[in-house]
Amino acid sequence: KNEVEQSPQNLTAQEGEFITINCSYSVGISALHWLQQHPGGGIVSLFMLSSGKKKHGRLIATINIQEKHSSLHITASHPRDSAVYICAAKNYGGSQGNLIFGKGTKLSVKP
Amino acid sequence: NAGVTQTPKFQVLKTGQSMTLQCAQDMNHNSMYWYRQDPGMGLRLIYYSASEGTTDKGEVPNGYNVSRLNKREFSLRLESAAPSQTSVYFCASSPDRISYEQYFGPGTRLTVT
Repeated sequence: KNEVEQSPQNLTAQEGEFITINCSYSVGISALHWLQQHPGGGIVSLFMLSSGKKKHGRLIATINIQEKHSSLHITASHPRDSAVYICAAKNYGGSQGNLIFGKGTKLSVKP
Repeated sequence: NAGVTQTPKFQVLKTGQSMTLQCAQDMNHNSMYWYRQDPGMGLRLIYYSASEGTTDKGEVPNGYNVSRLNKREFSLRLESAAPSQTSVYFCASSPDRISYEQYFGPGTRLTVT
């Protein structure tokens, strides 16, 4: 079993829909990262959070430490949101500071 | 600021050839990382450098060596390339390993035939 699991693997939405991507982890973490990988391949960090909720524009990330679960929400989705979204857990244990990555969720938003 | 830069963007090697992937950052970050990304798998850490003068193995270090040349530059060397090293390689940096997000370079697509 992977230490960081994302669901769904693929997601197709219509423009304007509310989108949720889920991330579950089994390791002790000091922080949880959400990243966006553009179709051209570039990777951008969206959020780093260790508790509660963070918001940036139409993106919202939440984390529940007790349940070892995080969600990334996109409100009023747009075709430019089409990308792969990657969850990564920052390891608290032996290799402190290293990131353990999920396999990513490929989002396609249709106009 | 250019952020994190990587060269080359693309490379094709024959089995057994050697090459060095270059990475540089202009954000005065202490920590730097090399990852590989393969289809159907998450990014995996090859090596990292917590600070200038130190390097440590990550999850998949076999077949690779690294050099932290100075605070700005962190290179990844393949001494004898193998087809299993066909991948997309990303360099990243962060102010430190613990508290901050990582900034990624554009990636190098390497094919070993």
